[in-house]
Amino acid sequence: GDSVTQMEGPVTLSEEAFLTINCTYTATGYPSLFWYVQYPGEGLQLLLKATKADDKGSNKGFEATYRKETTSFHLEKGSVQVSDSAVYFCALSRAGAQKLVFGQGTRLTINP
Amino acid sequence: GAGVSQSPRYKVAKRGQDVALRCDPISGHVSLFWYQQALGQGPEFLTYFQNEAQLDKSGLPSDRFFAERPEGSVSTLKIQRTQQEDSAVYLCASSSSWGVDTQYFGPGTRLTVL
Repeated sequence: GDSVTQMEGPVTLSEEAFLTINCTYTATGYPSLFWYVQYPGEGLQLLLKATKADDKGSNKGFEATYRKETTSFHLEKGSVQVSDSAVYFCALSRAGAQKLVFGQGTRLTINP
Repeated sequence: GAGVSQSPRYKVAKRGQDVALRCDPISGHVSLFWYQQALGQGPEFLTYFQNEAQLDKSGLPSDRFFAERPEGSVSTLKIQRTQQEDSAVYLCASSSSWGVDTQYFGPGTRLTVL
């Protein structure tokens, strides 16, 4: 069945550091890929998405590129801020299946 | 109030009790989803509605779990004879169309079964 594997956390970085959170997937066909973020005390929010191979999703300085050849969708940010501290979830959805399949989440803490 | 709302936000139940969790989706959203999120894990799919039709209930863990959306808007997730393993955050999400589309999540209901 479909599955998503994320880099295990927790991840702790200093402000202005470069961030990568790895995500790989297994799915039949060509799924859409998503990154969701959960800030402390808040609900899940969509951060970015990509719907086909080689698409790049971007938002709030975060980027992720849909790599079909490596079945990956790694999240990157060039300079993190304290306000980026949150739990990040990689997810996929297949056309016709509708539901989201999530990874286990990566907790990110940014220290000033 | 444009977002997805859920009630109650917190629910404590004694083992064996029945509970009902409510979801109000974004107005006009066709699709509605329920997910279960155990502590420290990612959300797991439970069931999916398109308007009032329940099109996928493959994720419901047992016949103690039942969901409905009778008028194609508000949805209720009911858990009968709750067990300790049912303790989790229950998330509701809605989306505006039939295709693969952005799902907007509510704040969740944290269920604790004693």
